[in-house]
Amino acid sequence: GAGVSQTPSNKVTEKGKYVELRCDPISGHTALYWYRQSLGQGPEFLIYFQGTGAADDSGLPNDRFFAVRPEGSVSTLKIQRTERGDSAVYLCASSPGEPSYNEQFFGPGTRLTVL
Amino acid sequence: AQSVSQHNHHVILSEAASLELGCNYSYGGTVNLFWYVQYPGQHLQLLLKYFSGDPLVKGIKGFEAEFIKSKFSFNLRKPSVQWSDTAEYFCAVRPGGYNKLIFGAGTRLAVHP
Repeated sequence: GAGVSQTPSNKVTEKGKYVELRCDPISGHTALYWYRQSLGQGPEFLIYFQGTGAADDSGLPNDRFFAVRPEGSVSTLKIQRTERGDSAVYLCASSPGEPSYNEQFFGPGTRLTVL
Repeated sequence: AQSVSQHNHHVILSEAASLELGCNYSYGGTVNLFWYVQYPGQHLQLLLKYFSGDPLVKGIKGFEAEFIKSKFSFNLRKPSVQWSDTAEYFCAVRPGGYNKLIFGAGTRLAVHP
């Protein structure tokens, strides 16, 4: 079966521009997570969705970052007024949902470069 | 703040050598523990996980990890590594009551034939 997919695989943008990153979770997975991985670091949590709602957005660094999951499946991470420090690999993961001990399945990531 | 420390950033071994990668976390409550692996050009995959019960957990490809609660540690071991184990290894913690994972910085393992 298909795993988590993310598009685009690479995105290069200029400082100040707006970007959208897409995540398609594994079919039937109700939980969806976004993480950010900077060079030489482990993934850092951004936001968690259970269904359509953001159950935990405590990892979003500031109000330039926003994510949606309107139908409880595909999610979009939106970054406004991008800065060079936003350059990283953005990872999406999904899991079957509750109970919370389910494994998180990761996608290949989107490498964002802000020039 | 909750954090995960991986002691070694780079490890180089010859085939058949034994492996131990350290992982310590800072969180006083109940935790679930994970080791993920990222092979070159691939995405993160789960190696093994601990939720409760026997603190010695066995995973895929001959890996195992031991949870020592008193030391806040979850070290990864393999008795005899292979060239195909060359990858980056990440320890992760899920604090009780949360769904997010907190990752360590990772350890790059290179195994020479």
